[in-house]
Amino acid sequence: QVQLQESGPGLVKPSETLSLTCTVSGVSISNNYWSWIRQPPGKGLEWIGYIYYTGSTNYNPSLKSRVTISLDTSKNQFSLKLTSVTAADTAVYYCARGSTTSYAYWGQGTLVTVSS
Amino acid sequence: DIVMTQSPDSLAVSLGERATINCKSSQSVLSSANNKNYLAWYQRKPGQPPRLLIYWASTRESGVPDRFSGSGSGTDFTLTISSLQAEDVAVYYCQHYYSTPCSFGQGTKLEIK
Repeated sequence: QVQLQESGPGLVKPSETLSLTCTVSGVSISNNYWSWIRQPPGKGLEWIGYIYYTGSTNYNPSLKSRVTISLDTSKNQFSLKLTSVTAADTAVYYCARGSTTSYAYWGQGTLVTVSS
Repeated sequence: DIVMTQSPDSLAVSLGERATINCKSSQSVLSSANNKNYLAWYQRKPGQPPRLLIYWASTRESGVPDRFSGSGSGTDFTLTISSLQAEDVAVYYCQHYYSTPCSFGQGTKLEIK
C-alpha cells in the first residue's frame, strides 16, 4: 500500500530556507510523478510543484523563483526547498503522488511555522 | 490560471437529507481531445489529509460510498451526498487539473443541522 510521510523542521526563521522531505513506501519513486501541496491556516490548498523520476520539474509560477523540488531514488524520497520564507509561507505542507492530476495518495501533512 | 469558486462557503444539512455543493471554474475544464472534465472532489477532516472522492467529475474513487456523486461539465460542477451521514461532516474541495497550475476551490464546510 502506498504511503507518504513528510519530515522536517516545524519552525523556520523569516528569510531562511524551508526544507522538507517526503519518504515514500509501498511503491518505487521511479516511474511516477510526485507533488508538494500546501494549505496556510484558514486558507485553501495551493499546488507548489511536481517532479518526475527523471528529475524534470514543474512549479507554480507564483512560487517558481523560490522553489526547488529534488529526489533521491536510492532512499525513495523527494524533497522541497523554499527560500526566503515569510510568515505567508506558514502552512501545512503535504506531499502527494501525481503531477497535474487528481491526488489519491497524500502524506499526513506537516505544519511549518515561519517565525523568529 | 483557472480560478475555482465553490458555493456555499458553509452548509448545514439534516441527517439523511441531501447535501449539494457547487463548484465553478473560470474557464472550461472539458477536454475536446478526450471529452473528459478534469475536475476532482476531495473531503478533508480535521487532522487528516484530503481524501479523493471523485475524479473526471463523476468517477467515484475506489472505496468511496455510493451516496457521493459528482456531476456537471465545462465550468459548472456539483458534488451531491444523497443521504447525509454523521461521518460526512468535513470540508469539501473541488480541484481542476486541466492545466498547470492546478488549483482548488476555497472549500465548503458541511455540518449537521
